[in-house]
Amino acid sequence: NAGVMQNPRHLVRRRGQEARLRCSPMKGHSHVYWYRQLPEEGLKFMVYLQKENIIDESGMPKERFSAEFPKEGPSILRIQQVVRGDSAAYFCASSARTEAFFGQGTRLTVV
Amino acid sequence: DQQVKQNSPSLSVQEGRISILNCDYTNSMFDYFLWYKKYPAEGPTFLISISSIKDKNEDGRFTVFLNKSAKHLSLHIVPSQPGDSAVYFCAASTGNQFYFGTGTSLTVIP
Repeated sequence: NAGVMQNPRHLVRRRGQEARLRCSPMKGHSHVYWYRQLPEEGLKFMVYLQKENIIDESGMPKERFSAEFPKEGPSILRIQQVVRGDSAAYFCASSARTEAFFGQGTRLTVV
Repeated sequence: DQQVKQNSPSLSVQEGRISILNCDYTNSMFDYFLWYKKYPAEGPTFLISISSIKDKNEDGRFTVFLNKSAKHLSLHIVPSQPGDSAVYFCAASTGNQFYFGTGTSLTVIP
């Protein structure tokens, strides 16, 4: 049973490009969370999704950021027109009733 | 609105002593609590958990205590070791959604 898989592990984008971060939850998990860790800061909640539904996106920036968790396939966090301030580690977690596990994260660097 | 709070961003402890990491929550509907450990450049990994029907759970050097009346959770590490230096996150679940704290950075000084 593979753990939470995030890819890519490292992503470099130029300012203005789009970044797509993927998260495949653990088998049997239908809930996905995205967190962002800026340099020297803790984990900040971004969005909580269930299959085909966004449940809580209170931590998502209002512009340029979107997330989805389709019926088939991984969850995608999409950042349009990236800026230097988007450089961070992005972690996803998946959960079932009494367990939640994190992926290894995607480190986004905007140059 | 942060439903799970870790009010101490950092903690330093001498090797061999006890480390106590604290976590407070606001939602009385939480019925499951977890602690995670995170090293730099890695994702958080599960450490220990406790159900709301218990007030203590122990696993080796790690013990989690739950005080439901105070809505307070703590993680005790004894004896602390330099390899325990990491960021520790607490989490709580309603059985549906998980909520995570922002973390406490523990440094164990040799």
